[in-house]
Amino acid sequence: NAGVTQTPKFRILKIGQSMTLQCTQDMNHNYMYWYRQDPGMGLKLIYYSVGAGITDKGEVPNGYNVSRSTTEDFPLRLELAAPSQTSVYFCASSYDRGFEQYFGPGTRLTVT
Amino acid sequence: GIQVEQSPPDLILQEGANSTLRCNFSDSVNNLQWFHQNPWGQLINLFYIPSGTKQNGRLSATTVATERYSLLYISSSQTTDSGVYFCAVVGGANNLFFGTGTRLTVIP
Repeated sequence: NAGVTQTPKFRILKIGQSMTLQCTQDMNHNYMYWYRQDPGMGLKLIYYSVGAGITDKGEVPNGYNVSRSTTEDFPLRLELAAPSQTSVYFCASSYDRGFEQYFGPGTRLTVT
Repeated sequence: GIQVEQSPPDLILQEGANSTLRCNFSDSVNNLQWFHQNPWGQLINLFYIPSGTKQNGRLSATTVATERYSLLYISSSQTTDSGVYFCAVVGGANNLFFGTGTRLTVIP
């Protein structure tokens, strides 16, 4: 099993550009999550999904959108990138609520 | 959300020394995980431990859910143990709430 994979690893965006961060898991997990980590801080939840077709906001959803059309994939869309979105983005998955979460390697995004 | 406090914020150890990291949380939890974030930024799962004690090699963890704290023990530390250790909990919501971490530096 590859676990949770994310692409790209690094990206530099100009202010106002858009992009999609990809996340795929091969563990047949129902729950998937997107977190962001700002320098020197712990992770904060952006959006999560409890299954295909079902998504919900986390603590810091503004400026982001998600979709979940399959069990495996959970892309995160950034519209109109802003410098405040410079961060490291982690995708995670778990079998169900309260179960152990497994994290991808992260995407380091810089908006200038 | 649940408040998670970790101590100490920074820790410097000589190789071979032992250490204890603490995590306090503000409410009852369904899930507690310890992670090691290595210098390359990768999050490595150490323990899934909502209650009780677990051991994995030189590392062990204990969670006392009724008293709302967890401890991570590192014995015979190695330079590869350096990095940031995070405690994270799930309460009534679906997501993990992370503490701000303990930065561990092990010097040879």
